Amino acid sequence: DAGVIQSPRHEVTEMGQEVTLRCKPISGHNSLFWYRQTMMRGLELLIYFNNNVPIDDSGMPEDRFSAKMPNASFSTLKIQPSEPRDSAVYFCASSWGQGDGYTFGSGTRLTVV
Amino acid sequence: EDKVVQSPLSLVVHEGDTVTLNCSYEVTNFRSLLWYKQEKKAPTFLFMLTSSGIEKKSGRLSSILDKKELFSILNITATQTGDSAVYLCAVRNSGGSNYKLTFGKGTLLTVNP
Repeated sequence: DAGVIQSPRHEVTEMGQEVTLRCKPISGHNSLFWYRQTMMRGLELLIYFNNNVPIDDSGMPEDRFSAKMPNASFSTLKIQPSEPRDSAVYFCASSWGQGDGYTFGSGTRLTVV
Repeated sequence: EDKVVQSPLSLVVHEGDTVTLNCSYEVTNFRSLLWYKQEKKAPTFLFMLTSSGIEKKSGRLSSILDKKELFSILNITATQTGDSAVYLCAVRNSGGSNYKLTFGKGTLLTVNP
């Protein structure tokens, strides 16, 4: 099993540009989570999908953030336009059901300059 | 809102020392508490605790939960340089948002040779 796969690993972009982060969950997992990690706030849940349907997007900070899950094996998190305060590590995680121990991907380190 | 506070924020020890990391929490309708280890990349699952007083053990690591006093500890004996990492504590409730893990900000452990 390849685990949760995220791309890119690192992204540096200029303020105002669109950024798209990608995630492939573990095959067979039906729950997918996007988390953001910063020094100030730690790990925060942005959005949760169950069976490809967004269940809770209350953690998405602003309308500039959007997430999709078109099928069971792929999800994207888009920021448009990006701002320097969006700089963080973005993690995708998946589980079976609301499984007690998520499996995290390796994260995307985003830097907006 | 669920809350997790970890202490200390950082800790520096020498190889062979024993360390205790603390996690206190506030959660509505507690379901479980989880510990993760985060090195340079993704958090990796260590333990899940649901019942008070029952120690979970894996090699040199062990953890216990006190649901009355609302805290957990993670012990590492005979520390090694490979134990250097951020240790994260998270809680899950059994209510409507039971899919969500609420994380503390972590304890940065540095083990010097």
